[in-house]
Amino acid sequence: LAKTTQPISMDSYEGQEVNITCSHNNIATNDYITWYQQFPSQGPRFIIQGYKTKVTNEVASLFIPADRKSSTLSLPRVSLSDTAVYYCLSLLSGNTPLVFGKGTRLSVIA
Amino acid sequence: ETGVTQSPTHLIKTRGQQVTLRCSSQSGHNTVSWYQQALGQGPQFIFQYYREEENGRGNFPPRFSGLQFPNYSSELNVNALELDDSALYLCASSIGPSSGNTIYFGEGSWLTVV
Repeated sequence: LAKTTQPISMDSYEGQEVNITCSHNNIATNDYITWYQQFPSQGPRFIIQGYKTKVTNEVASLFIPADRKSSTLSLPRVSLSDTAVYYCLSLLSGNTPLVFGKGTRLSVIA
Repeated sequence: ETGVTQSPTHLIKTRGQQVTLRCSSQSGHNTVSWYQQALGQGPQFIFQYYREEENGRGNFPPRFSGLQFPNYSSELNVNALELDDSALYLCASSIGPSSGNTIYFGEGSWLTVV
């Protein structure tokens, strides 16, 4: 079973900032928080990963509060091409597979 | 482009048949994992191969089997196909089995069982 909970879907207009929040109440001390993006008919693509506080890369920002019970993926100024399913995962650093939930289906509207 | 290539991209099989799906991992990656993704669901872990040995398995029956070759490419074999096996099969490669490492997915093989 997925260890995370996130909204099933979200809609946004082009140019807006989108924040997708994920709760992972059972996160373990050694878990990392990772987000993947999946376009239709493609495999998931790694977006960003963090352990605590804030991480930023060229694609997104990831905000993790001190208790690490949730995380927020922030996509600045989304475009139509950001329409995809976004998955949050909490991963052990050991030999464990990725456990995906159903993800959040983001629809960007012109 | 992730450097992970899968073949075939699409195929149709009849119930009861057998299928082999292939995956070439990204250069330098010694770990390959296979996932099944049914329509509208997230990917589900089937198994992982690390240095040619199975290194973990999800909740899939024994008719799902795999191989990893010395060049770290991999095959997924499914025997006695059932209608519910229709799905996107994803291969993912990484440097080592630790899920903390960045994992790269291929574009998948669409299997339809009729």
